[in-house]
Amino acid sequence: SAVISQKPSRDICQRGTSLTIQCQVDSQVTMMFWYRQQPGQSLTLIATANQGSEATYESGFVIDKFPISRPNLTFSTLTVSNMSPEDSSIYLCSVDGGSDTQYFGPGTRLTVL
Amino acid sequence: QKEVEQDPGPLSVPEGAIVSLNCTYSNSAFQYFMWYRQYSRKGPELLMYTYSSGNKEDGRFTAQVDKSSKYISLFIRDSQPSDSATYLCACKINTGTASKLTFGTGTRLQVTL
Repeated sequence: SAVISQKPSRDICQRGTSLTIQCQVDSQVTMMFWYRQQPGQSLTLIATANQGSEATYESGFVIDKFPISRPNLTFSTLTVSNMSPEDSSIYLCSVDGGSDTQYFGPGTRLTVL
Repeated sequence: QKEVEQDPGPLSVPEGAIVSLNCTYSNSAFQYFMWYRQYSRKGPELLMYTYSSGNKEDGRFTAQVDKSSKYISLFIRDSQPSDSATYLCACKINTGTASKLTFGTGTRLQVTL
């Protein structure tokens, strides 16, 4: 299975600021995914990021709020822009592991004050 | 109605008990089913996946799928305190170009000594 790391592991941010979360994989992968996990709720897919193309966003998520970069096959970033307390959540990246599996990183715990 | 429903628990059992965790889904197009385990402050870890009705066993874990009833289960035999975690079921429609997972909310399990 792929080894995935995320930075930062946690952060406390002020309202109106932006935070960029990094996701690094130890092997080349075609597809990377960004999820949000809010307390008491299921993991929700924000967007799918393929290298060399624009990210595909799920309903309710827009590029202006969650811009994503995918510069190569082992790295991606998710930016949470103009943050509000409602953005407080755990943000997770995952990768397509083949054989219909998906592997997750450890998550970034974000608190917005 | 959520596409994937899961009892949030918490579920508390004594060590050695057999645990049954369950999910129901509404989308007949789901073909792949997974169970993830998530320890506190960690990312989800893939436990098992299956794509056919019936049982799949891996050590103390058995995944069961009943597509006619749209019902999936995870059984844990001889439960251990180290099994204490949140268990997430996930379903997938394999489109061939995207591996979007739809998750349940997770069931929190506590195995007591």
